[in-house]
Amino acid sequence: LAKTTQPISMDSYEGQEVNITCSHNNIATNDYITWYQQFPSQGPRFIIQGYKTKVTNEVASLFIPADRKSSTLSLPRVSLSDTAVYYCLVVLNYGGSQGNLIFGKGTKLSVKP
Amino acid sequence: DSGVTQTPKHLITATGQRVTLRCSPRSGDLSVYWYQQSLDQGLQFLIQYYNGEERAKGNILERFSAQQFPDLHSELNLSSLELGDSALYFCASSVEVVDSPLHFGNGTRLTVT
Repeated sequence: LAKTTQPISMDSYEGQEVNITCSHNNIATNDYITWYQQFPSQGPRFIIQGYKTKVTNEVASLFIPADRKSSTLSLPRVSLSDTAVYYCLVVLNYGGSQGNLIFGKGTKLSVKP
Repeated sequence: DSGVTQTPKHLITATGQRVTLRCSPRSGDLSVYWYQQSLDQGLQFLIQYYNGEERAKGNILERFSAQQFPDLHSELNLSSLELGDSALYFCASSVEVVDSPLHFGNGTRLTVT
């Protein structure tokens, strides 16, 4: 299974750009990379997903290098409300069906004023 | 609102008892996942059902069981409860296509006294 490794915690200040990197050295050819955000006592919320290169939505950007052994979630101009735990997942591709939706410990992001 | 409904929101019970947690997936989603999150712990994958059939199993204890009914709602049964079973239990649903995200409910907080 494609294991992910990400920093346990990160600190930032309001207005800064935050980049959280996740390594997934044994990712398979057809697997996807997905990021979730979780606030205390709430269920995780999908942020962004990608397969290669760069994906951008209204919330974040996801950068995936050519070898796909890592990915970086970029949060532009964070605010206090972005304080949360961020999870990186590698979703296995079983002929179009998803598998291995196993969350790691995540990265606890603390945004300070 | 994710569209996933979990009941009850809170449950307090005694050791040795049995409880049932209920999950109604998002309309159109055939897959249901159950996760356990203890205090300061990551999300532990328990079990997945797809259209009524068990699809994947994680670290689910033998005292725990689940099922998905024809109307696609799911129940997680926890028996012979122990203090260590106190946790947040999340249900998530998806269409299970590889690039579709999980949608999480707000969880059931179980307290075993």
